[in-house]
Amino acid sequence: NAGVTQTPKFQVLKTGQSMTLQCAQDMNHNSMYWYRQDPGMGLRLIYYSASEGTTDKGEVPNGYNVSRLNKREFSLRLESAAPSQTSVYFCASSPGQSNQPQHFGDGTRLSIL
Amino acid sequence: QQQVKQSPQSLIVQKGGISIINCAYENTAFDYFPWYQQFPGKGPALLIAIRPDVSEKKEGRFTISFNKSAKQFSLHIMDSQPGDSATYFCAAGPYNQGGKLIFGQGTELSVKP
Repeated sequence: NAGVTQTPKFQVLKTGQSMTLQCAQDMNHNSMYWYRQDPGMGLRLIYYSASEGTTDKGEVPNGYNVSRLNKREFSLRLESAAPSQTSVYFCASSPGQSNQPQHFGDGTRLSIL
Repeated sequence: QQQVKQSPQSLIVQKGGISIINCAYENTAFDYFPWYQQFPGKGPALLIAIRPDVSEKKEGRFTISFNKSAKQFSLHIMDSQPGDSATYFCAAGPYNQGGKLIFGQGTELSVKP
């Protein structure tokens, strides 16, 4: 049982490039989340999806888009990367539509030059 | 934006000692208070959580103490072990609204043998 799987684990981009971070969970969970983690700032929610077909903005959504492709997969896209988006990105899931995040992936470490 | 203030930023404890991490929140409507444990290079993992209908919750060596009137809660790790060395995050939010959880800044705990 893999839990929450994120790809890639590391990525370096140039300013203005685009990329998609992938997340998949195999626990049949309804809710999925994307967070970013920056030193001294804890985790901040970018977007979340309470169920398949729905997405909502979190605390820091600017510069990002998401797609809940199906119940298993929730992707995060940076259309035009900026140095301020250098961060570690975590995907999380929880079983219910209203439950808080319980299971996290191991993160994607993204550097934007 | 509501804040969750966590202290201390870092903590060094001798093996067998008690580790105490404190958090304070602002929104009296919050009714879900989890703690997450994060090892280097890994995602956070839900450690223990409390609802405000009780003042204390214990799971093994980990205890949450909750003071509703002071809007404060704390994590106590009894008989701390080197394997407990990790970063700990508190969080607060409404239990029935996934995606509204606010995280503290984190505490880096080091348990010395």
